[in-house]
Amino acid sequence: AQSVTQPDIHITVSEGASLELRCNYSYGATPYLFWYVQSPGQGLQLLLKYFSGDTLVQGIKGFEAEFKRSQSSFNLRKPSVHWSDAAEYFCAVGEESNYQLIWGAGTKLIIKP
Amino acid sequence: EAGVAQSPRYKIIEKRQSVAFWCNPISGHATLYWYQQILGQGPKLLIQFQNNGVVDDSQLPKDRFSAERLKGVDSTLKIQPAKLEDSAVYLCASSYSGRARETQYFGPGTRLLVL
Repeated sequence: AQSVTQPDIHITVSEGASLELRCNYSYGATPYLFWYVQSPGQGLQLLLKYFSGDTLVQGIKGFEAEFKRSQSSFNLRKPSVHWSDAAEYFCAVGEESNYQLIWGAGTKLIIKP
Repeated sequence: EAGVAQSPRYKIIEKRQSVAFWCNPISGHATLYWYQQILGQGPKLLIQFQNNGVVDDSQLPKDRFSAERLKGVDSTLKIQPAKLEDSAVYLCASSYSGRARETQYFGPGTRLLVL
């Protein structure tokens, strides 16, 4: 069955430190991969997405993610976090033949001053 | 460009009461989604519309939930009667044509509390 796993329910990072949020998926076909962010009281906003080509994808707000087919992973990274990055981050997976996205449970990012 | 609009933002009701949520998608977007997001979980698709037709409602509890998208623009999601486990955030999203690779644009959500 198709699934998306975000192993970390929450992560605490000091402001200015680097960040990596993990996402692993189980999918039969070549997946479309997405990272969305949800700030408190807000809807979800797309950070970046991957379909094909260069496996390192740049997104908004200084985020990037790397698709590693051998590890079935699509981890999200940021070299230096800001207090405004405190939010919940969701990984989602889809494919062309199935329009429905499969969503992870989310990782809540907490920023220490 | 205006984003996805939803109302109300918050709703508190007693169990067995009814409630309705409204969504207006981005202009020109053919596809509209309703998601349920329970605290601590990712969004769960309830129903997907393509224009005014239903593409997928396999996870919609049809004994109590209903949704319509008249004229292929705005949409209403109704719960009748509500149960305690319906407490969640209801998110509306839209996309241009519903292809899997497209960005879905989300509204701010309606937070429902059923007492």
